[in-house]
Amino acid sequence: GESVGLHLPTLSVQEGDNSIINCAYSNSASDYFIWYKQESGKGPQFIIDIRSNMDKRQGQRVTVLLNKTVKHLSLQIAATQPGDSAVYFCAESTLSGNQFYFGTGTSLTVIP
Amino acid sequence: DSGVTQTPKHLITATGQRVTLRCSPRSGDLSVYWYQQSLDQGLQFLIQYYNGEERAKGNILERFSAQQFPDLHSELNLSSLELGDSALYFCASSAGTGGTQYFGPGTRLLVL
Repeated sequence: GESVGLHLPTLSVQEGDNSIINCAYSNSASDYFIWYKQESGKGPQFIIDIRSNMDKRQGQRVTVLLNKTVKHLSLQIAATQPGDSAVYFCAESTLSGNQFYFGTGTSLTVIP
Repeated sequence: DSGVTQTPKHLITATGQRVTLRCSPRSGDLSVYWYQQSLDQGLQFLIQYYNGEERAKGNILERFSAQQFPDLHSELNLSSLELGDSALYFCASSAGTGGTQYFGPGTRLLVL
């Protein structure tokens, strides 16, 4: 099946710094991508999504970048806070489809 | 709070037994998805229902089955349980057949 992988399994950043979490996907047909945040003991929480007709989308303190040429997705978190500590998953799918393929996750630790 | 509810929150049972996990989607959502998350794996898609009909199947074992009822709640049935079935089971819902999925808090299953 399709594979979605993360380059870094763990990431530690100082509070106030920017964080960048990367993700590679393999299915050229994927046209919809989502980042989820999962805190310990909780379900994944939607952060931001992007469609393949865009290469950048911004939310509150988060930006997702999509590079379809190299099938790469990244999540940038500005001014990282302790509450951002969690596991972050990227997921790929198609807008008309039904299966989401999740990466294995990157654990982000924010150092106060 | 995503609006997706799951019961029970925790479940402890023995090998060979059968359990039923329950999920209520967000109000208005027609799709329900089931995922398994174990310690050494990411989120594994199991199955999706849309408006009562099976829509997509992922890595779901034959010992597992699911259904979606007319009121759109869904149940995941796990039978002949094995130690390796111990995991977090998440339900997610979306408005249509695809698009953003909102996750419930999960059911933690422990098979002894």
